[in-house]
Amino acid sequence: QVQLVDSGGGEAQPGRSLRLSCAASGFTFSSFGIHWVRQAPGKGLEWVAGVSYDGTNKYYADSVKGRFTISRDFSKNTVWLQMNSLRAEDTAVYYCARDDGYNYGFDYWGQGTLVTVSS
Amino acid sequence: DIQMTQSPSSLSASVGDRVTITCRASQGIRNDLGWYQQKPGKAPKRLIYAASSLQSGVPSRFSGSGSGTEFTLTISSLQPEDFATYFCLHHFSYPWTFGQGTKVEIK
Repeated sequence: QVQLVDSGGGEAQPGRSLRLSCAASGFTFSSFGIHWVRQAPGKGLEWVAGVSYDGTNKYYADSVKGRFTISRDFSKNTVWLQMNSLRAEDTAVYYCARDDGYNYGFDYWGQGTLVTVSS
Repeated sequence: DIQMTQSPSSLSASVGDRVTITCRASQGIRNDLGWYQQKPGKAPKRLIYAASSLQSGVPSRFSGSGSGTEFTLTISSLQPEDFATYFCLHHFSYPWTFGQGTKVEIK
């Protein structure tokens, strides 16, 4: 069955870095785009970044552009989100999600990993 | 960037009620919109894709309509398991954006 397992969250000080990972299984990894969506405590959902099925196209929200980098490793069936220059406002649960392949949004989601940025 | 305005932000309803939630896009997005349900501590779950197509496994009391800039999610007869927060998401162009959410509470 399709499974996305996100991990790598934790605490970081402002200005530091963290790397999140999304391990995929149960489907042909190279056929689907993967995205990151976050949710600050008690707030709504915010799309953060996405990478196309073949890794050639990457997209970012303005709020993270220049600080976050999304990438994918086809040998490991994993998508990474490298988060640099972290800010307090990056504190959130981060979910990875699979683009359904028809550009109709997200059909599967990971369980989420909490990132806390605090001094 | 395209903004999604969702209303209401919350509502109280009883089991069996008909519930309607609306999302308005700041510009036309064809039918590139989905609806998601989220329960506390859980990842969102897609209910509707392409504005009006029911996700496999989702009860038929959920329906979506609209195109262009106005979209609606309807729950025809609210059930106890439907008390949750609902979000719309457009995927017409990057950056994709969510509506602010509608929390459906028990009256």
